[in-house]
Amino acid sequence: DTAVSQTPKYLVTQMGNDKSIKCEQNLGHDTMYWYKQDSKKFLKIMFSYNNKELIINETVPNRFSPKSPDKAHLNLHINSLELGDSAVYFCASSQTPSSNQPQHFGDGTRLSIL
Amino acid sequence: AQTVTQSQPEMSVQEAETVTLSCTYDTSESDYYLFWYKQPPSRQMILVIRQEAYKQQNATENRFSVNFQKAAKSFSLKISDSQLGDAAMYFCAYSTNSGYALNFGKGTSLLVTP
Repeated sequence: DTAVSQTPKYLVTQMGNDKSIKCEQNLGHDTMYWYKQDSKKFLKIMFSYNNKELIINETVPNRFSPKSPDKAHLNLHINSLELGDSAVYFCASSQTPSSNQPQHFGDGTRLSIL
Repeated sequence: AQTVTQSQPEMSVQEAETVTLSCTYDTSESDYYLFWYKQPPSRQMILVIRQEAYKQQNATENRFSVNFQKAAKSFSLKISDSQLGDAAMYFCAYSTNSGYALNFGKGTSLLVTP
């Protein structure tokens, strides 16, 4: 069973469109994250939720809106997609927000903007 | 700003040999955790090893070990008896209880030659 699953794995779309990426974890973790990996492979935190509440919101355009319907799901909705949004987006989860908890990553969603 | 520096964009090692990947970090926190993640071409993010900053003993996981020098803020990864399957991007990261998320370095691409 996949611990952290993201859908879709690949997303190709045009500039200006709105798209969503879904993430689900079956580990019973309280905390979930979204990271962005750019074309140079640099990974940076975007958002984090703990028990459905937002605890981290880095400097991300407000076109990006995370939604956590329950603590097992953290979806990412992106409005008005731009060329610079092309990247790999990783969902992750950890038992708690504590720094000693290892984070488990999904396989990533490669978003390509045409 | 809290940063992680991996000064070696690429490294190469022969099968069965040993290689060390370097990492330095900068944080004003006293309580933090350090991690090495592996990202093979399949794009998965796999936890290799982690180290608690308050522990002086270096962490070891089979062929992987770290050299943690807290005063120097250095956290290098040693891979012994390198195997072809070790070829991947390796990311150094840390997290703190005040920040929750992982702060990543830019990665080191490891090539393993037969």
